[in-house]
Amino acid sequence: GENVEQHPSTLSVQEGDSAVIKCTYSDSASNYFPWYKQELGKRPQLIIDIRSNVGEKKDQRIAVTLNKTAKHFSLHITETQPEDSAVYFCAASIGSGGGADGLTFGKGTHLIIQP
Amino acid sequence: EPEVTQTPSHQVTQMGQEVILRCVPISNHLYFYWYRQILGQKVEFLVSFYNNEISEKSEIFDDQFSVERPDGSNFTLKIRSTKLEDSAMYFCAGDLQGSGGEKLFFGSGTQLSVL
Repeated sequence: GENVEQHPSTLSVQEGDSAVIKCTYSDSASNYFPWYKQELGKRPQLIIDIRSNVGEKKDQRIAVTLNKTAKHFSLHITETQPEDSAVYFCAASIGSGGGADGLTFGKGTHLIIQP
Repeated sequence: EPEVTQTPSHQVTQMGQEVILRCVPISNHLYFYWYRQILGQKVEFLVSFYNNEISEKSEIFDDQFSVERPDGSNFTLKIRSTKLEDSAMYFCAGDLQGSGGEKLFFGSGTQLSVL
């Protein structure tokens, strides 16, 4: 089955600086890659996602890049703010288009924004 | 904004007891999922459900687990004989497309504590 590795486990950056979180996946059939933000004690919330026919996607301060050949994808947050502090999870799925395939999550990155 | 609602928010049970976790998905969602998250760990896929049938399930979802949507509204997860290692946050989720779990909306979760 799919295996998703995520690094780093903890990332501390100064407010205003950029943060980059990286993930790799093992199953070349995976074609859907979402990122979730989870604040302490709350539900995971989708912040951005990308499909494998796209190399990069941006939404304001957040961007995701995908390298299918290398089987890795990254989350970029620019101009970080205190409210960006949370645990971020990457995930992957095959997304067959017909079945309700589950997401395989990475272990999460605890992002700390230092004031 | 519509939400996936889960009850109870916290369930404490004795080892060996049966528990039922309940979820009310967003009305126009077609695909439903259960995920769990052991404290401090990643989110893990348990099962997906479509058209009143299990669509996919993980290795975690063994014979002790079952799901149903008895009245077309509530979506339940039953654990027949709980074990200590079942202690986790259980998230219900839903989406419109069912294509690899795209655009998943997670519920607020049920924290299950098995004593």
